[in-house]
Amino acid sequence: QVTLRESGPALVKPTQTLTLTCTFSGFSLSTSGMCVSWIRQPPGKALEWLALIDWDDDKYYSTSLKTRLTISKDTSKNQVVLTMTNMDPVDTATYYCARMIGGTTPLPTFYDYWGQGTLVTVSS
Amino acid sequence: EIVLTQSPATLSLSPGERATLSCRASQSVSSYLAWYQQKPGQAPRLLIYDASNRATGIPARFSGSGSGTDFTLTISSLEPEDFAVYYCQQRSNWPRLITFGQGTRLEIK
Repeated sequence: QVTLRESGPALVKPTQTLTLTCTFSGFSLSTSGMCVSWIRQPPGKALEWLALIDWDDDKYYSTSLKTRLTISKDTSKNQVVLTMTNMDPVDTATYYCARMIGGTTPLPTFYDYWGQGTLVTVSS
Repeated sequence: EIVLTQSPATLSLSPGERATLSCRASQSVSSYLAWYQQKPGQAPRLLIYDASNRATGIPARFSGSGSGTDFTLTISSLEPEDFAVYYCQQRSNWPRLITFGQGTRLEIK
């Protein structure tokens, strides 16, 4: 059974650095084809992809946010960590982690399991 | 960066009707397109992957089609539980980045 769970602070101040942890079970991020991403959703708005890390430790970042993001994994702990620097009120959102796998092709392309999300509010 | 444009933004239909949702990519994404359903307060749920493959447990009334830049999600006969927001998502071969569309809200007429 695959599960993912996000954890981190509910409230951060402007200019602070946000650190979120995704703890997962039911799969290994060292297995070929496995990836974990972070995706966020401001209240009432659309989903926004942030970052992805794959089984080979390759990392990909949103073009608009890449200077502020760092994604890493601890395979032994089944965790993926996202840091986002210089937080601003516009970064207030529900942050999700999700597993990406491949279907009919070798390239991982879609998210089959999601965490329940964690709401992060940026306010002084 | 590949941009996904979903239309319409809002679709108002009645239960039993057929729903057709569109997702257009700014450049070819081959068949690397997925559809998700999201209800208030819930995480997105995978419906369709690789353009036309139903995910496990998804009812047959949901179908996906298209390739290249134009994709469609069809719900053949709407059930009350289908009223939600739908997102498309792509991951192309190059660049290997991921984007979501802005969503289509399917509401009860």
